[in-house]
Amino acid sequence: DAGITQSPRHKVTETGTPVTLRCHQTENHRYMYWYRQDPGHGLRLIHYSYGVKDTDKGEVSDGYSVSRSKTEDFLLTLESATSSQTSVYFCATGGGREETQYFGPGTRLLVL
Amino acid sequence: KNQVEQSPQSLIILEGKNCTLQCNYTVSPFSNLRWYKQDTGRGPVSLTIMTFSENTKSNGRYTATLDADTKQSSLHITASQLSDSASYICVVATGGGNKLTFGTGTQLKVEL
Repeated sequence: DAGITQSPRHKVTETGTPVTLRCHQTENHRYMYWYRQDPGHGLRLIHYSYGVKDTDKGEVSDGYSVSRSKTEDFLLTLESATSSQTSVYFCATGGGREETQYFGPGTRLLVL
Repeated sequence: KNQVEQSPQSLIILEGKNCTLQCNYTVSPFSNLRWYKQDTGRGPVSLTIMTFSENTKSNGRYTATLDADTKQSSLHITASQLSDSASYICVVATGGGNKLTFGTGTQLKVEL
């Protein structure tokens, strides 16, 4: 998984609860991404970061926020989890443009 | 709207046989096209990346082709192995190359 870890790997939570997912990389890649993967959909970009404290929205960013205080860490926060946010979340890193994106192992989130 | 469509949705082949997976896209502006392999329960792993000027790229038993005029790509797998059983995802990058549009994947099963 190219030096990418995600924590937790599995989480069950209740509607309305805040949830934070963590992505940690050891390759010093500039770009980091959060995606969600749902049946019948391709992976969809939630947010991405192009440097420390530099982030931007993806196509499905509503209900999510991110922070990147260090090169190696990228946090995804669900301020108030909803059942529609039940999904598998993948973190990815890369150098941008024509470079490969490397994906983490994923976090399975179930919101009851 | 940027879209990536893959066919077939699923495919079963016998070990040792060849197969070809298809990808059609309507993404603008085009930056590059990628094929990823995703094993069950794991993150996607990059197989190939092709820019506009490349029409063939190989990675071991995997060969990807790109026809930028017709906006089609294919992934050919030679002499399939049981370990090739996975979802194969076509991805098109747009803009600066960091915004990716993912197909929903072709689920390949290789049987004895």
